[in-house]
Amino acid sequence: NAGVTQTPKFQVLKTGQSMTLQCAQDMNHNSMYWYRQDPGMGLRLIYYSASEGTTDKGEVPNGYNVSRLNKREFSLRLESAAPSQTSVYFCASSVQTATGGLSYEQYFGPGTRLTVT
Amino acid sequence: AQSVTQLDSQVPVFEEAPVELRCNYSSSVSVYLFWYVQYPNQGLQLLLKYLSGSTLVKGINGFEAEFNKSQTSFHLRKPSVHISDTAEYFCAVSEVGRGSTLGRLYFGRGTQLTVWP
Repeated sequence: NAGVTQTPKFQVLKTGQSMTLQCAQDMNHNSMYWYRQDPGMGLRLIYYSASEGTTDKGEVPNGYNVSRLNKREFSLRLESAAPSQTSVYFCASSVQTATGGLSYEQYFGPGTRLTVT
Repeated sequence: AQSVTQLDSQVPVFEEAPVELRCNYSSSVSVYLFWYVQYPNQGLQLLLKYLSGSTLVKGINGFEAEFNKSQTSFHLRKPSVHISDTAEYFCAVSEVGRGSTLGRLYFGRGTQLTVWP
């Protein structure tokens, strides 16, 4: 199992350019998440998808859009990149069940380091 | 709303010394609690979790944490650290059974643990 994969690993954009960050998981998890990590700020949730077909805003959704393409894939799009979006982006997935052995922990990808100049 | 406070942004210790990384949270409902570790230029890896049962939880790499409901704390401890424990540590909280926010994690800002020889 590859777990959670993210592409690309690194990206440099000019202000105003657009791009899509890709995320896929092979663990058959229901829920997927996008975070950004900035020094001293911890991880802040951008968007999440509790299940296929649903998406919800997190703490810092402005300037981003998401698509839950299917159960495996959850992409994050920057329509018009700004220097304030320079960050490391992490995708994560988790499974929530109501049965015994439930597991709410999230599994993280390796991250995408994005620089906007 | 959830909030997670990691009381120390940096903790320097010498090798083989004990360490405690502090985490407090606020929530009006029952919670699940997690500690993650992030090594340089990597994603987050789960160290340990508290879902229910014994309040003393053991994780990987010799770490343990104790859930204290009355003090709303979940401090991480290790009796003897190694240089390889140098990393950033994140405390995270998830609310139990909260509909569409099920499984959503709220992170603290992180504690950088640096172990000196």
